Amino acid sequence: NAGVTQTPKFQVLKTGQSMTLQCAQDMNHNSMYWYRQDPGMGLRLIYYSASEGTTDKGEVPNGYNVSRLNKREFSLRLESAAPSQTSVYFCASSEIGGVAFFGQGTRLTVV
Amino acid sequence: AQKVTQAQTEISVVEKEDVTLDCVYETRDTTYYLFWYKQPPSGELVFLIRRNSFDEQNEISGRYSWNFQKSTSSFNFTITASQVVDSAVYFCALSEWAGANSKLTFGKGITLSVRP
Repeated sequence: NAGVTQTPKFQVLKTGQSMTLQCAQDMNHNSMYWYRQDPGMGLRLIYYSASEGTTDKGEVPNGYNVSRLNKREFSLRLESAAPSQTSVYFCASSEIGGVAFFGQGTRLTVV
Repeated sequence: AQKVTQAQTEISVVEKEDVTLDCVYETRDTTYYLFWYKQPPSGELVFLIRRNSFDEQNEISGRYSWNFQKSTSSFNFTITASQVVDSAVYFCALSEWAGANSKLTFGKGITLSVRP
């Protein structure tokens, strides 16, 4: 049972580089989310997509873009990475009001 | 706007003590869902419980119990006879029933350390 798969697990970027974090779910969920987790800050919502074809900003969207490619896939792009984006990123999916299932996380370091 | 507050940041107890993790939420909706998740040191997020706004019954699952009180907008989590394996970060979360705009909002988490 794959659930939510996100790649890569680890990444080191130089300031100014770009990258895309990939996320795919096989549970036919409508909603997908990207969170970042920083010490003492909990899980902060970056972007979410309540259904295929829609995306909305969360609490901390600056410096990120997202694409809901289809119902399964929701990618997060950093166009020009900054040290402040060093974090652990989690992708999740759920039905509306349902239990959210999370990927294993991506530990990103921007130097 | 929806908001979840976990005022406690870190709690340390000795094994076999009972411990309660507090969660207070804010929402304008009458229909919403509350959750607790556990994040052990390995880093994955583990679902513990989901409760809808119309069901105020307390729930018990083994050593875990949850107290939902709409009157005080609280959804507290109690671990009875804590064990070292309970050491983790615990998150409370809220999802409003807002159709296409539904989103899942987390509190900042409570780090629980259980000492032998």
